[in-house]
Amino acid sequence: SQQGEEDPQALSIQEGENATMNCSYKTSINNLQWYRQNSGRGLVHLILIRSNEREKHSGRLRVTLDTSKKSSSLLITASRAADTASYFCATEDNFGNEKLTFGTGTRLTIIP
Amino acid sequence: DAMVIQNPRYQVTQFGKPVTLSCSQTLNHNVMYWYQQKSSQAPKLLFHYYDKDFNNEADTPDNFQSRRPNTSFCFLDIRSPGLGDAAMYLCATSSNAGETQYFGPGTRLLVL
Repeated sequence: SQQGEEDPQALSIQEGENATMNCSYKTSINNLQWYRQNSGRGLVHLILIRSNEREKHSGRLRVTLDTSKKSSSLLITASRAADTASYFCATEDNFGNEKLTFGTGTRLTIIP
Repeated sequence: DAMVIQNPRYQVTQFGKPVTLSCSQTLNHNVMYWYQQKSSQAPKLLFHYYDKDFNNEADTPDNFQSRRPNTSFCFLDIRSPGLGDAAMYLCATSSNAGETQYFGPGTRLLVL
């Protein structure tokens, strides 16, 4: 079953604008990860944030985690056409399942 | 460069004809995963190996089997493909369960 729900399902913005995607999940987690997937390709890991962390940065990416609300957000600043892709959050729950459960994804389109 | 390799990238098979997809890794990771991803959906975990220990998801059909003869290789066998099995199949690895996963480019399976 899906652990994460992402919002919005699709997002179109102008190049240079910031893009924000949200992820909500249901169970207690050890960590939450964000992945990018270009059309027809495999997923690429972007960032991992652990349950005891609240914010993490990597280049133009900023991820926040609110475990009390069971939610996370991914902010991409100064978007570029190459950022066009689908973005998935994935959670590792703390039940010892040894796996990630992926959210439904946000399809991001950057308009040049 | 260390990587996850999937062969073939595209596979066409006939309804009911067994097919095998392969995955290899040069990362020396303990964990290998197989996902099924249908159009515009999140990856769905089929099973994973933690070293030699096989872990099947409860809702993975019996039609899907896997083999991991050594650390580097993992195979997905579809014994009798149906039209509903047409999808992208993604292989991923991680050094430890729940940590960052490294994905291959995927094999797109078409069932005629």
